[in-house]
Amino acid sequence: GENVEQHPSTLSVQEGDSAVIKCTYSDSASNYFPWYKQELGKRPQLIIDIRSNVGEKKDQRIAVTLNKTAKHFSLHITETQPEDSAVYFCAAKSGEYGNKLVFGAGTILRVKS
Amino acid sequence: GAVVSQHPSRVICKSGTSVKIECRSLDFQATTMFWYRQFPKKSLMLMATSNEGSKATYEQGVEKDKFLINHASLTLSTLTVTSAHPEDSSFYICSARDLDRVIGTSGSYEQFFGPGTRLTVL
Repeated sequence: GENVEQHPSTLSVQEGDSAVIKCTYSDSASNYFPWYKQELGKRPQLIIDIRSNVGEKKDQRIAVTLNKTAKHFSLHITETQPEDSAVYFCAAKSGEYGNKLVFGAGTILRVKS
Repeated sequence: GAVVSQHPSRVICKSGTSVKIECRSLDFQATTMFWYRQFPKKSLMLMATSNEGSKATYEQGVEKDKFLINHASLTLSTLTVTSAHPEDSSFYICSARDLDRVIGTSGSYEQFFGPGTRLTVL
């Protein structure tokens, strides 16, 4: 089955700096990769996603890149703000015909003002 | 956007009792719902995939007789934790797929998460 690894587990950045979180996946048939933001005690919220036929996607301060050959994808947050502080999870849709998401372990992002 | 609700948000029960958690898609139909379990500061672990009108598909290591799932309609799935024990204490989150939100050609459907249920077993 699919296995998703996420690094780093914690990340502290100064307000205004960029943050990068990286994930690798094992199933070459996976073709959908969403990123979720979860604040303490709340539900995960989809912030950006990318499909395997696209190499990069950007939405304002957030971008995701995908390298299918290396089977890794990354989340980039520019001009970080204190409200970006949260736990971020990457995920991969398992298998070409699967419909379930396999999540990474999560990254605690702290933006210091 | 699509809204998923869960009830109750918090529940405290005695060891040995059963607890039912409801997951509802409020403004869309969901043939498939997913149940996750999340320990403090940990990731979401998929427990089972709930399919409307059929049996749930459980992930390896999840006891189907302990975690009963019923997906009786296109807007409701329930998870019943039977004979709960303190080690069952956790944050349980459901998600639902929106049939109308097909994401490109990947075959995926956007999933929306419920707010979660905090279960504490004494």
